Amino acid sequence: SQTIHQWPATLVQPVGSPLSLECTVEGTSNPNLYWYRQAAGRGLQLLFYSVGIGQISSEVPQNLSASRPQDRQFILSSKKLLLSDSGFYLCAWSALTANYGYTFGSGTRLTVV
Amino acid sequence: AQSVTQPDIHITVSEGASLELRCNYSYGATPYLFWYVQSPGQGLQLLLKYFSGDTLVQGIKGFEAEFKRSQSSFNLRKPSVHWSDAAEYFCAVGPSYSSGSARQLTFGSGTQLTVLP
Repeated sequence: SQTIHQWPATLVQPVGSPLSLECTVEGTSNPNLYWYRQAAGRGLQLLFYSVGIGQISSEVPQNLSASRPQDRQFILSSKKLLLSDSGFYLCAWSALTANYGYTFGSGTRLTVV
Repeated sequence: AQSVTQPDIHITVSEGASLELRCNYSYGATPYLFWYVQSPGQGLQLLLKYFSGDTLVQGIKGFEAEFKRSQSSFNLRKPSVHWSDAAEYFCAVGPSYSSGSARQLTFGSGTQLTVLP
């Protein structure tokens, strides 16, 4: 069966420090991969999505970037964190079959101090 | 462009009472519709989905939803709420076709459910 792993679960980082969040999927090939951010009291904001290795689409220009170095690995990064980067980050994957849906990871709570 | 509206930000019900969470969507073609649930500090879990066929779909944890094309709605219901149902609920809509690119879901802003003992 397919599983999605996201880590770390929580992270406290100072302003100006770098960021690296990792997401991996098991049990499937060539998944679509997504990074979402959920700020307090707000809905889900799509940040990036990827349809294949090295293919990244950005939805919102910001202080973050994403990379897909391997088929089932999706990384969210920042060179210098801002206070406004705080939030709950969710990784998700979907297949290209007709009965698609998104499967979400357990999320990373990022607090920038 | 597709959009999803969940008009109720917060709903409070008593345990054992019935529940209905509203979802309205805007989409130019036949959509795929989903309901997800999120417990505090957790990811989103799929409750149910509608693609075609019977407009009343059953999901996990005793939830059901009804697709009403004429009203552009996909409301989530449960006959008797349990305290463990307290969570945030998200409705989502996506395209029913494959364009070869990533199929992107559009999510509503969520409805927070509080269950009173």
